[in-house]
Amino acid sequence: GAVVSQHPSWVICKSGTSVKIECRSLDFQATTMFWYRQFPKQSLMLMATSNEGSKATYEQGVEKDKFLINHASLTLSTLTVTSAHPEDSSFYICSARDRPGMSYNEQFFGPGTRLTVL
Amino acid sequence: QQQVKQSPQSLIVQKGGISIINCAYENTAFDYFPWYQQFPGKGPALLIAIRPDVSEKKEGRFTISFNKSAKQFSLHIMDSQPGDSATYFCAAAFSGGYNKLIFGAGTRLAVHP
Repeated sequence: GAVVSQHPSWVICKSGTSVKIECRSLDFQATTMFWYRQFPKQSLMLMATSNEGSKATYEQGVEKDKFLINHASLTLSTLTVTSAHPEDSSFYICSARDRPGMSYNEQFFGPGTRLTVL
Repeated sequence: QQQVKQSPQSLIVQKGGISIINCAYENTAFDYFPWYQQFPGKGPALLIAIRPDVSEKKEGRFTISFNKSAKQFSLHIMDSQPGDSATYFCAAAFSGGYNKLIFGAGTRLAVHP
């Protein structure tokens, strides 16, 4: 149990285009989902936290207008990179937490999405 | 105060040896300390986690040692195997809010046969 999927697993796009990445919790309801960015040989950097039905909370330095997050249901969150540029090329990883009271604090991570902007 | 400092940055161990990775934190409000394993091109996977009310937790070949007074915790991998070669991240979180994980910088472990 506790499986999180991401789609696509990799994407290549041209500079200036927008890219949407989906994160799904397959066998549990995720009240909270997190989006991370990871550059090569670096740690995971939290970009934003989203709760179902409410606006995402962005970390300092993350442009909310560039990285649009939608958490419309308890099993789906999307990250849209708008007007992508080569510096946005990175590994994007989502994670999900289930309902409070279960699996305290544990986050389940997706397999990641490799974004390359040409 | 939100940082988690991890060392070493990289580690080479012979097969069968013990791998030890250390982490230190400042914020005493942290009450959840997980370790994650990440293979190249994959998302991190939870290995083992500990809460500050215990000093040690063991699961198979993996052991977390926790020193609350020193604000340090470490991962020990016994009988290290080539398949353990990966990047390991420690993290910390605290109750309340959305339980954000604060990650260490990571340790790249290579286990040589």
